Amino acid sequence: TQLLEQSPQFLSIQEGENLTVYCNSSSVFSSLQWYRQEPGEGPVLLVTVVTGGEVKKLKRLTFQFGDARKDSSLHITAAQPGDTGLYLCAGERGDYKLSFGAGTTVTVRA
Amino acid sequence: NAGVTQTPKFRILKIGQSMTLQCTQDMNHNYMYWYRQDPGMGLKLIYYSVGAGITDKGEVPNGYNVSRSTTEDFPLRLELAAPSQTSVYFCASSTQVRQPQHFGDGTRLSIL
Repeated sequence: TQLLEQSPQFLSIQEGENLTVYCNSSSVFSSLQWYRQEPGEGPVLLVTVVTGGEVKKLKRLTFQFGDARKDSSLHITAAQPGDTGLYLCAGERGDYKLSFGAGTTVTVRA
Repeated sequence: NAGVTQTPKFRILKIGQSMTLQCTQDMNHNYMYWYRQDPGMGLKLIYYSVGAGITDKGEVPNGYNVSRSTTEDFPLRLELAAPSQTSVYFCASSTQVRQPQHFGDGTRLSIL
C-alpha cells in the first residue's frame, strides 16, 4: 500500500486546458515535494511546501499544501505540450526519508 | 557540473549473477539514496546514507547491499539476481533532509 495516494493515475488533455493532480494521505508530513520526471531521466524537483495551507506558484503551476499537512494538489493552468510528464509527490515525516506516490502521467495534446 | 552520475545505464543479468550499480555525486552532499521504480508503483527506497560510513535500510532492502566509504560514492550491490529485481534504479543525493533530492538518470536492469 502507498503512503501517498495520487489521483488520477493518467490524465490526457488538450493544449490550453487546465488540470489538477491530487496527493492524499492519512499521515501528517513535515514537508511535501513535487517532482516531474520525463522518459529516460530522473525526477526533477518542482517545489517544496512545508507550512499547512501554503500556496506556491511557479509560472502556470500552483501547488497547495493542505491545512492539516496530509494532502497536496498541483494545478496547471493553460497546459502546454511541454508540461507532459510523470508528476510525483513525495512526503517527509521528520526522518531522513521521502515516501513517494505512484505518480500521475500527464499528456498534453497539441 | 555533472551532479549525480550512475553507471551503467542499461544491463541484462542472468538469474543468480551479481553486479554493482555505481553512483557518484560531485556536489559534496552528505545524504545519498537508492530507489527502485516499477511501473505504477512510484519510487521505493532501498537504502540510504546520511554520511560516509553510515548506511541504513529503506523500505525494500532485501536482496541488496550498500557501502559508503567516501562522501562521493554510494554503490548498490546485487548478490544473487532474481527476476523480481528487474527495475529502473535511481540514485539521489541531497544536502539536508528537506532540501531537493538530485537524481541520476537511472540504471535500467533486466534479469532473465
